[in-house]
Amino acid sequence: QVQLQESGPGLVKPSQTLSLTCTVSGGSINSGAYYWTWIRQHPGKGLEWIGYIYYSGITYYNPSLKSRIVMSIDTSKNQFSLNLNSVTAADTAVYYCARAIYDDGLDVWGQGTTVTVSS
Amino acid sequence: QAGLTQPPSVSMGLRQTATLTCTGNSNNVGYQGAAWLQHHQGHPPKLISYRNNNRPSGISERFSASRSGSTASLTITGLQPEDEADYYCSAWDRSLLDLLFGGGTKLTVL
Repeated sequence: QVQLQESGPGLVKPSQTLSLTCTVSGGSINSGAYYWTWIRQHPGKGLEWIGYIYYSGITYYNPSLKSRIVMSIDTSKNQFSLNLNSVTAADTAVYYCARAIYDDGLDVWGQGTTVTVSS
Repeated sequence: QAGLTQPPSVSMGLRQTATLTCTGNSNNVGYQGAAWLQHHQGHPPKLISYRNNNRPSGISERFSASRSGSTASLTITGLQPEDEADYYCSAWDRSLLDLLFGGGTKLTVL
């Protein structure tokens, strides 16, 4: 059974870079069937799609975040990562990684990790 | 980025039927339908329906989904206390290649 697990600092200072990694276990990340996705949820708000990366490294980002995001994938480690630059308090959220099947849904989710942006 | 439209809240009684809606356009919900997620706070969201009315393994038959034009619906029959949660629809936009979410509906079981 495929499982995803986010890791990274829970506290990031304003203007710095938020870096998270999602480790995939129980299956290979090197599959053309899936899009490896980041989603976040601000406190008391709904889900927001951040972007996704394909096993080949092709990426698609939320236009509202595109200028600050870099996603990468390491198939040898079965991991994919999110870097969000120039963070502010507005980036404080629970960050989830998930597996997506195009035209279907997000069928496997990590537990989520809370990231707070504060000095 | 335009999202999908969901009513903020729905309240129904125990053992009753609730219908949640999700409205998009012809490039997203109207093209390939919507997926539905159930989210209990403190836990990750769970996929309960995809491409209109396909249920992942282990999801109760009390959950069923449908689509009419650019509006998707999730119907939950025989409401149970554990159904009280936030429900999100999602859909891929074929013109933008973006993944869209609805704002979520908070379902209260009275």
